[in-house]
Amino acid sequence: AQSVTQLDSHVSVSEGTPVLLRCNYSSSYSPSLFWYVQHPNKGLQLLLKYTSAATLVKGINGFEAEFKKSETSFHLTKPSAHMSDAAEYFCVVSDRGTNAGKSTFGDGTTLTVKP
Amino acid sequence: DVKVTQSSRYLVKRTGEKVFLECVQDMDHENMFWYRQDPGLGLRLIYFSYDVKMKEKGDIPEGYSVSREKKERFSLILESASTNQTSMYLCASSLTGGMGNTIYFGEGSWLTVV
Repeated sequence: AQSVTQLDSHVSVSEGTPVLLRCNYSSSYSPSLFWYVQHPNKGLQLLLKYTSAATLVKGINGFEAEFKKSETSFHLTKPSAHMSDAAEYFCVVSDRGTNAGKSTFGDGTTLTVKP
Repeated sequence: DVKVTQSSRYLVKRTGEKVFLECVQDMDHENMFWYRQDPGLGLRLIYFSYDVKMKEKGDIPEGYSVSREKKERFSLILESASTNQTSMYLCASSLTGGMGNTIYFGEGSWLTVV
């Protein structure tokens, strides 16, 4: 069985300050983990993914995430927020026992970036 | 780049109408999915298909059916639309059932049932 919890439903930061979006997961097997971003009225776009290689994963637009097995976490970070980062972010888990179609999505974190 | 195209972005339908939402992907992906997205409820899987003419129920299949006659096309059908089916519908595809495979999404179809 797998599950994912995004610890914050809303995060607000000022432009130029760091971003931290938190995600904890539960998985019976070694999981794959993903972060997706969704801008208003758009579909979801892959930011980055972890599939058992390097634990620090770099994605698009300056985002990165670190897989920490001991903490069952996969937090998303960015050193300096930009106004265009304002969007909804989803953490997704998929473990060896599941088809990709039955990946589990978190409830989402809305990121607001203040000027 | 993978492209998942949902032909209708915004639809308004009447209660009881039969509604078709069409989705096409251009990367020869085996898997295709339909999700529903509602505020506060996140993404919920309606149906997915892992091959032509093959389908599997997701978490909320009631009131929906699907059709996959060709590999690139996956249709979501609302046999008799109801107001509680007003939502954003997202189509997606992925290469295979492997757990590390990225799911690629379309832009979404906003359906309003009046």
